[in-house]
Amino acid sequence: NAGVTQTPKFQVLKTGQSMTLQCAQDMNHNSMYWYRQDPGMGLRLIYYSASEGTTDKGEVPNGYNVSRLNKREFSLRLESAAPSQTSVYFCASSEGLPADEQYFGPGTRLTVT
Amino acid sequence: LAKTTQPISMDSYEGQEVNITCSHNNIATNDYITWYQQFPSQGPRFIIQGYKTKVTNEVASLFIPADRKSSTLSLPRVSLSDTAVYYCLVGEYGNKLVFGAGTILRVKS
Repeated sequence: NAGVTQTPKFQVLKTGQSMTLQCAQDMNHNSMYWYRQDPGMGLRLIYYSASEGTTDKGEVPNGYNVSRLNKREFSLRLESAAPSQTSVYFCASSEGLPADEQYFGPGTRLTVT
Repeated sequence: LAKTTQPISMDSYEGQEVNITCSHNNIATNDYITWYQQFPSQGPRFIIQGYKTKVTNEVASLFIPADRKSSTLSLPRVSLSDTAVYYCLVGEYGNKLVFGAGTILRVKS
């Protein structure tokens, strides 16, 4: 099992460009998450999907959109990238039970110039 | 959302026991307490979870007093490879679980 995979691993964008970060899990998990982590800080939740077809905003949703394409895939889109979105983005998944263990992907390091 | 407070950093030596305390005064009845470990350039990894009293697994113990307003992660006999950031999370469901700033643990030889 690959667990949680993310593409790309690295990306450099110019201000105003758009891109989609891809995430997939092969553990048949119901819930999926997108976090961002800025240098020296903890993770902040961007969006959360409790199950296929549902999404909820997290702590820092502004400037992002998500799509839960199917049970396996959860994508994060930046429509018009800004330097403030320079960060490391982590995708995670979990079974969906209360406070269950989240499994994280390797992360995408995004730089917006 | 339950707010957590942890020490910013801790230093220890190999072979010592390390205790990291997390304060969560406004924990709700249905909230669980979960600890994650993160190494540089990696995503966090689950360590242990509890609701009350004491939980132990192969890598750590979690102590939770009766009022549940704090919890202590105990790492027995740490090694250099335990140098990482440790996060305490309090909550129930996905978007109610908040990562704080974490505790940087540095283990020295």
